[in-house]
Amino acid sequence: NAGVMQNPRHLVRRRGQEARLRCSPMKGHSHVYWYRQLPEEGLKFMVYLQKENIIDESGMPKERFSAEFPKEGPSILRIQQVVRGDSAAYFCASSPGRGANVLTFGAGSRLTVL
Amino acid sequence: QKEVEQNSGPLSVPEGAIASLNCTYSDRGSQSFFWYRQYSGKSPELIMSIYSNGDKEDGRFTAQLNKASQYVSLLIRDSQPSDSATYLCAVSYGNKLVFGAGTILRVKS
Repeated sequence: NAGVMQNPRHLVRRRGQEARLRCSPMKGHSHVYWYRQLPEEGLKFMVYLQKENIIDESGMPKERFSAEFPKEGPSILRIQQVVRGDSAAYFCASSPGRGANVLTFGAGSRLTVL
Repeated sequence: QKEVEQNSGPLSVPEGAIASLNCTYSDRGSQSFFWYRQYSGKSPELIMSIYSNGDKEDGRFTAQLNKASQYVSLLIRDSQPSDSATYLCAVSYGNKLVFGAGTILRVKS
């Protein structure tokens, strides 16, 4: 029974490149959350998605960041034209139902921008 | 701005002692409260959830909630070196969980 699967676990990009992070929720979970954790800081909410819908993107930066959760396949967090300040751990979490209740986190994707 | 505040620590306790971690939150309308543990370089894992005023016990862990004071705490009895981690308080606000910055706990053997 696989948990929340994230890949890649580590990603290195140069400034100006694109980063794509993938997340497959737990079996039976249809709600996905993305959080960002900067070094020595707490988790910051970015976006909450259900299949084919963005429910809450209030934590997403206005530019360069986008997220999707298609009908088939994993949720994807996309960062265009990365900058050094984007270096962080990006965690995906899933839940079985609507609303923030018990979240199960993936292992995270650690992005390093050179 | 929905806020969750925690003392960043580090909180150092000797092995076998009780560790007390505290958290305050800003929105009186919040209904669900969680404690997550995060080891260095790892993902957060849920250790306790609490929804109503009072205490909730699970093994060595006790969560305490006081909605009138907007205060949540976590007690860890008989602390072990393996409990050394960052403890994150999380509060539900509508569709999302808002996390505190975390308290670093160090249990000294």
